[in-house]
Amino acid sequence: DQQVKQNSPSLSVQEGRISILNCDYTNSMFDYFLWYKKYPAEGPTFLISISSIKDKNEDGRFTVFLNKSAKHLSLHIVPSQPGDSAVYFCVGADKLIFGTGTRLQVFP
Amino acid sequence: NAGVTQTPKFQVLKTGQSMTLQCAQDMNHNSMYWYRQDPGMGLRLIYYSASEGTTDKGEVPNGYNVSRLNKREFSLRLESAAPSQTSVYFCASSYEGIEAFFGQGTRLTVV
Repeated sequence: DQQVKQNSPSLSVQEGRISILNCDYTNSMFDYFLWYKKYPAEGPTFLISISSIKDKNEDGRFTVFLNKSAKHLSLHIVPSQPGDSAVYFCVGADKLIFGTGTRLQVFP
Repeated sequence: NAGVTQTPKFQVLKTGQSMTLQCAQDMNHNSMYWYRQDPGMGLRLIYYSASEGTTDKGEVPNGYNVSRLNKREFSLRLESAAPSQTSVYFCASSYEGIEAFFGQGTRLTVV
């Protein structure tokens, strides 16, 4: 039973546009959600988090939205840059359960 | 400023051999984790340790054992390696189970 789901394995966006990465979860016990970014041959790195009592958290170009009733969260990147090209993981924090990831490609 | 250090970086084992993957962190974190990453599967939690002296199973614990030797070190042992355990293994640590820091990974091939 997959507790964190990212149904889009890949996303391609033009530089300067908005990237929206989506995530659904089934475990209501998660008290934080996080997004991690991963480049090939490296470990994941933390990007942004949101508490389950919030509905939005913003950090520069990155904003995470949480809809608890729908058990859905999304990461918005505005504007997208070529350096954002990576795999993005949605993570539920209670034992840090990862989704399957979405590969974002930002093209010029 | 080492962060999380994993050894070895690469390993090839024959089926049935045993080995231990080592992980150490220098950030005084309470929680430590072991994951495996397989194509299309994301990172799946094998075991985690919320504090020194405690360990708990994650999503895919079968075929693995762990030891939280002290606050700094968390090792993962494969007693009898199988080809299905071919994967990239990541160790991570966190202070309160929120932002975690990851090692560079160990690429393990079982032939």
